[in-house]
Amino acid sequence: QSVLTQPPSVSGAPGQRVTISCTGSASNIGAGYDVHWYQQLPGTAPKLLMYGNNNRPSGVPDRFSGSKSGPSASLAITGLQAEDEADYYCQSFDRGLYGYVFGPGTKVTVL
Amino acid sequence: QVQLVQSGAEVKKPGASVTVSCKASGYTFSSYYIHWVRQAPGQGPEWMGLINPSVGSTSYAQKFQGRVTMTRDTSTSTVYMELSSLRSEDTAVYYCARVGVGAPWPAEYFLFWGQGTLINVSS
Repeated sequence: QSVLTQPPSVSGAPGQRVTISCTGSASNIGAGYDVHWYQQLPGTAPKLLMYGNNNRPSGVPDRFSGSKSGPSASLAITGLQAEDEADYYCQSFDRGLYGYVFGPGTKVTVL
Repeated sequence: QVQLVQSGAEVKKPGASVTVSCKASGYTFSSYYIHWVRQAPGQGPEWMGLINPSVGSTSYAQKFQGRVTMTRDTSTSTVYMELSSLRSEDTAVYYCARVGVGAPWPAEYFLFWGQGTLINVSS
């Protein structure tokens, strides 16, 4: 049972905008710790998509954006493309567990 | 370019131990922490702990305290993760991962990943 909560799935048509939420608590996101996001395609290792709440690594399209407010964070994908169909995970630090924690993941389906 | 190459898949019986290796290249080995993350089938990733390759110090997730040991060999730029007293719930893909530049504890994010090692615990 993860201390971070994500919706199991979201879907959208090509070109649409979808958002993925990551809800934590005062022990993690709400305590001010950074949130990072990963994209995972089947059979591959997670790929860093967003770091430090709203920073994109080199090579990640600007269709992806991140935000954080209080105990929650969000990842938005605008101009949804077929290649965006994947699992997405948020990650932060939990001071109660004194370690890094991941969300359970959200599957994005492009209709 | 940064590469993390892990050892191959293994099948283990309950109660046994397993050691997974992760050989780093393309950067100064001692300059970045290496973390271990596992992912059970259909589940999200789970952080297991980290090792500082420079001095060998470690920090383990509470869940794995007493069962996991992380070590390194600076002569071969390799880190090792040993998990003991295996049970079926330990069946997962195990990844080593290196943090990004300028990402200190507890704001670390995992920029480089190994290819993963499947550990199957089955009687």
